[in-house]
Amino acid sequence: DVKVTQSSRYLVKRTGEKVFLECVQDMDHENMFWYRQDPGLGLRLIYFSYDVKMKEKGDIPEGYSVSREKKERFSLILESASTNQTSMYLCASSFDTGELFFGEGSRLTVL
Amino acid sequence: AQTVTQSQPEMSVQEAETVTLSCTYDTSESDYYLFWYKQPPSRQMILVIRQEAYKQQNATENRFSVNFQKAAKSFSLKISDSQLGDAAMYFCAYRSRMDSSYKLIFGSGTRLLVRP
Repeated sequence: DVKVTQSSRYLVKRTGEKVFLECVQDMDHENMFWYRQDPGLGLRLIYFSYDVKMKEKGDIPEGYSVSREKKERFSLILESASTNQTSMYLCASSFDTGELFFGEGSRLTVL
Repeated sequence: AQTVTQSQPEMSVQEAETVTLSCTYDTSESDYYLFWYKQPPSRQMILVIRQEAYKQQNATENRFSVNFQKAAKSFSLKISDSQLGDAAMYFCAYRSRMDSSYKLIFGSGTRLLVRP
């Protein structure tokens, strides 16, 4: 069974804190993605990676960075969290068929 | 740039009946994929059905089928014999075959309520 695991399902952080969201996949997929989900806006792509140490900006990269040191792990970093980054964050991976496999999501609240 | 539009924020259906969720998209490309994803209240998104643009035949998966109208850039999802477990957010998504990044562009979603 394919599996994408996100390290935290719920986080509460304070403004200005550094936040790490981690994602691990066990399918040997090349491609990994971080999306942000907000009501009425659907899913918006933050960053993606098509190989180890490779990363590309998505549609809303401002305020975020990513790290992919190993093929199976893709981390999203908020250097200085702000209240407008309160959201649901979804990690996904894919093979070249294009189908995305999602994790369960991490709901982040920034106070 | 490609866009995906879901104009129905919420839909409701009686158990055992049929419901259709709408999706339109905008692209200048001729070769692409379209997807419907389901996100139940537990939040993990799963693929419901996928359509390749070069295939004229509409995709089906058990009770789920699509009406793919390429010229109209429309991709609706029909759920037959609706069940309580079908209650979820449904997202339509587009992926270009020209884009080697494999990223998907999503619509804003439709929440489906199933009445017992």
